[in-house]
Amino acid sequence: GDSVTQTEGLVTLTEGLPVMLNCTYQSTYSPFLFWYVQHLNEAPKLLLKSFTDNKRPEHQGFHATLHKSSSSFHLQKSSAQLSDSALYYCVNTGYQNFYFGKGTSLTVIP
Amino acid sequence: GGIITQTPKFLIGQEGQKLTLKCQQNFNHDTMYWYRQDSGKGLRLIYYSITENDLQKGDLSEGYDASREKKSSFSLTVTSAQKNEMAVFLCASSRDRGGEQYFGPGTRLTVL
Repeated sequence: GDSVTQTEGLVTLTEGLPVMLNCTYQSTYSPFLFWYVQHLNEAPKLLLKSFTDNKRPEHQGFHATLHKSSSSFHLQKSSAQLSDSALYYCVNTGYQNFYFGKGTSLTVIP
Repeated sequence: GGIITQTPKFLIGQEGQKLTLKCQQNFNHDTMYWYRQDSGKGLRLIYYSITENDLQKGDLSEGYDASREKKSSFSLTVTSAQKNEMAVFLCASSRDRGGEQYFGPGTRLTVL
């Protein structure tokens, strides 16, 4: 069935280093993937969503590319900032339902 | 633009008590959701509704009831509050089931 799996637990990075949070999915039909971000004491909000025409979505320096061959939608940023510290969720919208990943907590240290 | 309002912001109840959380949205969205977020953990879906009077169970529906009285409102009832249910409850809405979700500020539940 449809599902999503992302890097679980805690990821700690030094400021300035590249960010990559993994997300893989299983989807019966054409997948539609999202990344949401939740900063401390705030509600989650949309960061990126996949396009159907292979465009690469970008926002706030983050980007993600939908690779159907490897069933992945990894979140990347070339240089981590302290303000990127947050909880990140990958979401797969399947045919009948939608699936939130368990979340990856990213901490960026000086 | 629009906004999602959740009431109350803080809810304190006794163990075994029935408690109700409310959510209103003015996006005119069809789909609404209730999630529970335990401290430091990810979101878990309790219920969602794709239209007025519709209810769909999520993975965490046991111990909860929900009601979609009208398009703009979605209520969640904790049928018998337990201490291990202390968490933040988040309401969200989207234009349709596959669309971008907009989240409310949350209701923090404390069980004494």
